[in-house]
Amino acid sequence: GAVVSQHPSWVICKSGTSVKIECRSLDFQATTMFWYRQFPKQSLMLMATSNEGSKATYEQGVEKDKFLINHASLTLSTLTVTSAHPEDSSFYICSATWEPNQPQHFGDGTRLSIL
Amino acid sequence: QKEVEQNSGPLSVPEGAIASLNCTYSDRGSQSFFWYRQYSGKSPELIMFIYSNGDKEDGRFTAQLNKASQYVSLLIRDSQPSDSATYLCAVNTGKLIFGQGTTLQVKP
Repeated sequence: GAVVSQHPSWVICKSGTSVKIECRSLDFQATTMFWYRQFPKQSLMLMATSNEGSKATYEQGVEKDKFLINHASLTLSTLTVTSAHPEDSSFYICSATWEPNQPQHFGDGTRLSIL
Repeated sequence: QKEVEQNSGPLSVPEGAIASLNCTYSDRGSQSFFWYRQYSGKSPELIMFIYSNGDKEDGRFTAQLNKASQYVSLLIRDSQPSDSATYLCAVNTGKLIFGQGTTLQVKP
């Protein structure tokens, strides 16, 4: 149980392109979903927290206009990296939980490379 | 002081030995604690979670929590080469705060 699916796994695109990443909870209703970014040999850094039906809460230093998050249903959240640039290249990982104190379950991650 | 601290390692143990991974945290109000395993290039995978002081066992894994000392640990018994990975300690302070991770190497 507690399966989170994330697509796509890999994205390679040109600078200036917008990229959308989907995160789905397959066997539970995710009241809260999270988006993380991980650079090589570093730990996960929380970008934003999204609750179904409300605006995402962004961490300090994360540009909300650049990283658009939509959590339209209890099983789907999307992260759109707008006008991506090479410095946005990273490993983006979503997670989901059904209750705040319960474990977060992670998707497989999306490796984004901007040329 | 970092909110969640782990020794980055690498921690090297022979196959069959007990691996002991440690983590300290700064927020005394933290209520839930998690251990995730992350293989290179992959996303984290939940190994254990613990909410109360004491030990919690699941197969070869035992999580230990001491809230007074703000300390949580993970023991892996009968370590296998497939256990070689980075182990992330995470503390829920309202949001999940991760340590830097400890790299474990289990040598055959």
